[in-house]
Amino acid sequence: GNSVTQMEGPVTLSEEAFLTINCTYTATGYPSLFWYVQYPGEGLQLLLKATKADDKGSNKGFEATYRKETTSFHLEKGSVQVSDSAVYFCALPSNTGKLIFGQGTTLQVKP
Amino acid sequence: NAGVTQTPKFQVLKTGQSMTLQCAQDMNHEYMSWYRQDPGMGLRLIHYSVGAGITDQGEVPNGYNVSRSTTEDFPLRLLSAAPSQTSVYFCASSYSSRGTYEQYFGPGTRLTVT
Repeated sequence: GNSVTQMEGPVTLSEEAFLTINCTYTATGYPSLFWYVQYPGEGLQLLLKATKADDKGSNKGFEATYRKETTSFHLEKGSVQVSDSAVYFCALPSNTGKLIFGQGTTLQVKP
Repeated sequence: NAGVTQTPKFQVLKTGQSMTLQCAQDMNHEYMSWYRQDPGMGLRLIHYSVGAGITDQGEVPNGYNVSRSTTEDFPLRLLSAAPSQTSVYFCASSYSSRGTYEQYFGPGTRLTVT
């Protein structure tokens, strides 16, 4: 079945550093791919998504490109801020509406 | 729209007590799910529903019951609370748009079982 593998954290960066969080997937067909973010003490929010191969999702300075040749959907940001400190989850849906999540990557950005 | 709402936000139970975590959505979404989140374990699916009257088990269903009598509500029942059920519980709803199942999450219920 579908699955997703996400790089383990925690990731600690200084402000304005470049961020990459790796995500690879196994799926039949070409499902939509998602990145969710969870800020401390809150629920998950959709950060960005891509619905087909070669699509680039973007939001709040974050980007991820749906690459079918490498089955990857890596999250990137050119210059992180302290306010980006959160847990990031890569996810893809099954065909019953449930999401399959990666383990989550904790990002801590230091001033 | 209020989106997905969950009550209560915090709850402390004694071992053996039962309770119901409430979840409601006002977006007319077909799909609803319950997850639990534990440190180092990510999100694990407890139960889900693809429509009113239809529910199914997820990865960790033991000790929990659900029902879906309406599209809007999807309560999660703890039958006899155990310390292993101490966790943060999230409810989510989603819809299918051309095969894209974007999920919307509630703010969570933090449950402690002593």
